[in-house]
Amino acid sequence: KNEVEQSPQNLTAQEGEFITINCSYSVGISALHWLQQHPGGGIVSLFMLSSGKKKHGRLIATINIQEKHSSLHITASHPRDSAVYICAPNPLQGAQKLVFGQGTRLTINP
Amino acid sequence: EPEVTQTPSHQVTQMGQEVILRCVPISNHLYFYWYRQILGQKVEFLVSFYNNEISEKSEIFDDQFSVERPDGSNFTLKIRSTKLEDSAMYFCASSDGYNSPLHFGNGTRLTVT
Repeated sequence: KNEVEQSPQNLTAQEGEFITINCSYSVGISALHWLQQHPGGGIVSLFMLSSGKKKHGRLIATINIQEKHSSLHITASHPRDSAVYICAPNPLQGAQKLVFGQGTRLTINP
Repeated sequence: EPEVTQTPSHQVTQMGQEVILRCVPISNHLYFYWYRQILGQKVEFLVSFYNNEISEKSEIFDDQFSVERPDGSNFTLKIRSTKLEDSAMYFCASSDGYNSPLHFGNGTRLTVT
């Protein structure tokens, strides 16, 4: 069974701070998704990565397949980044059966 | 930018009734998914669908659930006899490949009374 743990569960920071959210998982994966869930409930895909690092604007995602760990970083955080961030690994066995982390609730204060 | 659309945004039904949740995936996408999120809990995978058949399903997706792609554009989730515990937000998603980024709809909030 694929266990997915995110840390921290809640994070409050001031505008401009560098943010790191961590995700650990227990099984072999083909890729990992980082998702953003807005207060209204909608989900947006931020990244899908299977190795190394990806960057999009102020967001950076990294993954270490051997250590079964991924991080999401936000540089120069802004109040509009306030949302729940969810990691969801794609397991090798049943690759479409994403297993979702519990999410990290990020609040950025102005 | 093309998007996944879901209707209705909110559905209220009585226990034991059948409900159909509707989704229009992005037009050139080939893989379709349903997920659900019970209030305050994690998002959970329900089912994936490709080439007009289910490719994966979770333990949650029992005989009470079915999916269909009745025409070239819609993708539906039917719950035959709803239970109180089916109350959740249901998300549809689509992708253009087996291991491709997912595009989510805004969800249908199902309330079973």
